[in-house]
Amino acid sequence: AQSVSQHNHHVILSEAASLELGCNYSYGGTVNLFWYVQYPGQHLQLLLKYFSGDPLVKGIKGFEAEFIKSKFSFNLRKPSVQWSDTAEYFCAALVSGSARQLTFGSGTQLTVLP
Amino acid sequence: GAGVSQSPSNKVTEKGKDVELRCDPISGHTALYWYRQSLGQGLEFLIYFQGNSAPDKSGLPSDRFSAERTGGSVSTLTIQRTQQEDSAVYLCASSLVSGSYEQYFGPGTRLTVT
Repeated sequence: AQSVSQHNHHVILSEAASLELGCNYSYGGTVNLFWYVQYPGQHLQLLLKYFSGDPLVKGIKGFEAEFIKSKFSFNLRKPSVQWSDTAEYFCAALVSGSARQLTFGSGTQLTVLP
Repeated sequence: GAGVSQSPSNKVTEKGKDVELRCDPISGHTALYWYRQSLGQGLEFLIYFQGNSAPDKSGLPSDRFSAERTGGSVSTLTIQRTQQEDSAVYLCASSLVSGSYEQYFGPGTRLTVT
């Protein structure tokens, strides 16, 4: 069965610091990859997604992620975080041809200090 | 346009009681998913509906859990004889079948079993 791993459970950064959140998936076939964000008190929102093509994907709010097939990774990055980026971030995978349910990582809580 | 809505937003019930949770997907979305978000378990897939096809129930944790989708729109998740371990946030998502398959999430129902 496929799985998604997020190794950072809680990350604390100061404003303007650079961010990289790790995500690894275990599936040898074609996968679609997503990053979702959950701001305090709000519901899950899509940050960005990768289906095919350019492995560097740009999303909303200055976030980007790079799909590296050889490493089974899809790390999320942002060059300069803001206090408003404080949220929980979830990496998710969708196996092509499956019933299309998402498999989520355990989430990373990001706290940005002002 | 309206997003995915869920009701109630909060539900407190006594152990052993039955509960029903409701989801209204985005109009025109034929795929509907239920997930559960609990401490220590992350986000888990429960069940998936696609049009008039038989639902994928592979994620339901026990036979106390069931769900139906009437008229290809509204869905109800029922938990019978609730247990304390059922306490979690139950999330509903919907998506188009073709295209980007992006899943749009509702705000969730927080279930507390006392």
